[in-house]
Amino acid sequence: QKEVEQDPGPLSVPEGAIVSLNCTYSNSAFQYFMWYRQYSRKGPELLMYTYSSGNKEDGRFTAQVDKSSKYISLFIRDSQPSDSATYLCAMTRSQGAQKLVFGQGTRLTINP
Amino acid sequence: DAMVIQNPRYQVTQFGKPVTLSCSQTLNHNVMYWYQQKSSQAPKLLFHYYDKDFNNEADTPDNFQSRRPNTSFCFLDIRSPGLGDAAMYLCATSAAVGEQFFGPGTRLTVL
Repeated sequence: QKEVEQDPGPLSVPEGAIVSLNCTYSNSAFQYFMWYRQYSRKGPELLMYTYSSGNKEDGRFTAQVDKSSKYISLFIRDSQPSDSATYLCAMTRSQGAQKLVFGQGTRLTINP
Repeated sequence: DAMVIQNPRYQVTQFGKPVTLSCSQTLNHNVMYWYQQKSSQAPKLLFHYYDKDFNNEADTPDNFQSRRPNTSFCFLDIRSPGLGDAAMYLCATSAAVGEQFFGPGTRLTVL
């Protein structure tokens, strides 16, 4: 069993839809949770960085962490074609120099 | 404005011919990481430097080496590239505490 499971998709939705991306994990020691966006042939770009359980909002993006269920989500409101990318969840045990454990990534397409 | 810079963006080498990939950063971060990412897969950490201290992942092949001559620069050396080493190589940096920021990557092709 992988430490972090993420549905690889692909996921295709119309412009303006609310998108929900999810990851589950098995290691209860994870404390810090991230979402990265990766455009084709580019490096990952950090979107959201959260600690422990709770919600964090940044513009059209909301990250949720439920440590009791070992489940994290990223919601994208009013999705735009420019949101089309692969979204990677990642997590680590501490803030220090640590190995990020990534999900496989979900490929998302927003159709105009 | 580029914070993590990787050169070259595309590298073609021959089977068994050594190759060096370069990473530099303007963030003055303590930690620099090298990841390998194959198509449709998650990035896989190869090793990282915390200042001058080198930390190798247990499953990183000996074929992969790294050098960090100063805070700003870090190099990935592949001594004898095989066909299975064709991938995107990502450099990332972080402060001693906090998020990791990635460069644009170097796509390596092995002929």
